[in-house]
Amino acid sequence: DAKTTQPTSMDCAEGRAANLPCNHSTISGNEYVYWYRQIHSQGPQYIIHGLKNNETNEMASLIITEDRKSSTLILPHATLRDTAVYYCIVCYNTDKLIFGTGTRLQVFP
Amino acid sequence: DAMVIQNPRYQVTQFGKPVTLSCSQTLNHNVMYWYQQKSSQAPKLLFHYYDKDFNNEADTPDNFQSRRPNTSFCFLDIRSPGLGDAAMYLCATSRDGAGPTPSSYNEQFFGPGTRLTVL
Repeated sequence: DAKTTQPTSMDCAEGRAANLPCNHSTISGNEYVYWYRQIHSQGPQYIIHGLKNNETNEMASLIITEDRKSSTLILPHATLRDTAVYYCIVCYNTDKLIFGTGTRLQVFP
Repeated sequence: DAMVIQNPRYQVTQFGKPVTLSCSQTLNHNVMYWYQQKSSQAPKLLFHYYDKDFNNEADTPDNFQSRRPNTSFCFLDIRSPGLGDAAMYLCATSRDGAGPTPSSYNEQFFGPGTRLTVL
C-alpha cells in the first residue's frame, strides 16, 4: 500500500505557484520522497526527489519538513500544461514505485 | 530522441484470447517494468526485469507473463484475458534499479501506454 496521503484535487490559476502537499508520517530513515506526474493519456513523468534537504530543479521545488513527515511540491509558475495527476511516492527501493491516488491539479486560465 | 515505445497504442481482444503487448526502448537501460493502470486508478507494478533477471510482484496474477529477449524489447503476454484485465498497460525503463543517492536517481522513463479493451 502507498505510504502517502494527498488531497484528491486542487486548482491553480495560470502563472501562480501551485503548492501540492503530501503527508508521509510513517516514512523511515532511508526512504526518499519522489514526485511523478501523469498528464492525461500519457505515461508518468519524473519530477523531483529528496531525502531531507529541500531540492530544486528546472521543473519544481521540493520542500521537506524537518521531521520528514510531510512535504510540498512547488510549481513556481503553473501553466495550463501542468494540468495533471501528481503522485507523491515514498520508498527506498526504486524498483518498486508504489503509486498512491495522487492529486489531480487543474490549472485554469 | 531516445525513448520508450509501446505498440500498439490501442489493442482490442476477445475474452479468453491471448494477447501480447510490446515495448521497446532506445535508452539502453538495464531495467524494464510493466505497470497496469485501470480507469481512474494509479499505476500498479506487475513485474520488472533487471537485465535478464525477472522479478514478479507477489500479487500479479499467473495470467500475466513477460519476456525480454534482448535489452531493447520486453513483452507482456496475457494468456486468457478477462473483462477485469481491461486497462492501460505502461512500460517503463530505468538505467539501473539500484537505490538512489542524494545526488542521483535512476528515474523511470515511461512509454505512452497501450490501452487494452477486452470484449
